[in-house]
Amino acid sequence: AQSVTQLGSHVSVSEGALVLLRCNYSSSVPPYLFWYVQYPNQGLQLLLKYTSAATLVKGINGFEAEFKKSETSFHLTKPSAHMSDAAEYFCAVSETGTYKYIFGTGTRLKVLA
Amino acid sequence: NAGVTQTPKFRILKIGQSMTLQCTQDMNHNYMYWYRQDPGMGLKLIYYSVGAGITDKGEVPNGYNVSRSTTEDFPLRLELAAPSQTSVYFCASSPGQGNTEAFFGQGTRLTVV
Repeated sequence: AQSVTQLGSHVSVSEGALVLLRCNYSSSVPPYLFWYVQYPNQGLQLLLKYTSAATLVKGINGFEAEFKKSETSFHLTKPSAHMSDAAEYFCAVSETGTYKYIFGTGTRLKVLA
Repeated sequence: NAGVTQTPKFRILKIGQSMTLQCTQDMNHNYMYWYRQDPGMGLKLIYYSVGAGITDKGEVPNGYNVSRSTTEDFPLRLELAAPSQTSVYFCASSPGQGNTEAFFGQGTRLTVV
């Protein structure tokens, strides 16, 4: 079964600093990969997705992620953090054939003024 | 655009009571899912459905039941509520293609006391 690992349950960055949230997946076959954001007391909103068209994927709110097959990684980055980026971020993989979505345990991002 | 709608948003149950969490989607998606979210644990799949009349267990199905009589609706039934079922429950839907994301409802926060 596939799994998703997110290193760091809590990440703090200063406003204006680089945001880097890590995600590794376990599949030997490149899956479809997703990053979601969850603001307090809300549902999950799609940030971006990898669908094999391009390894560097751009999403909403200035986020992007790079798919690296050799490292089985799909890390999320943003060049300059904003206070409004404070939220919980989830990496997910879509299981081929079953279309079930497997989620990582999430990373809570705190942005310091 | 309603998307995925969950009711109720909040509920307190006593141990041993039962209830149904409602979920409906208006996107004509074949696939629907129920997840539970617990702090630090990410989202765990409870049940999913690939179409009307077809359901299957996810990772944590014990204590829950589902049905799918229509494409739009996918209710989750809790029988004999237990404190371990205190959680936030999310319903989601997707078209059932690997490169498309799941769309989430706003969640139901359930407390069992």
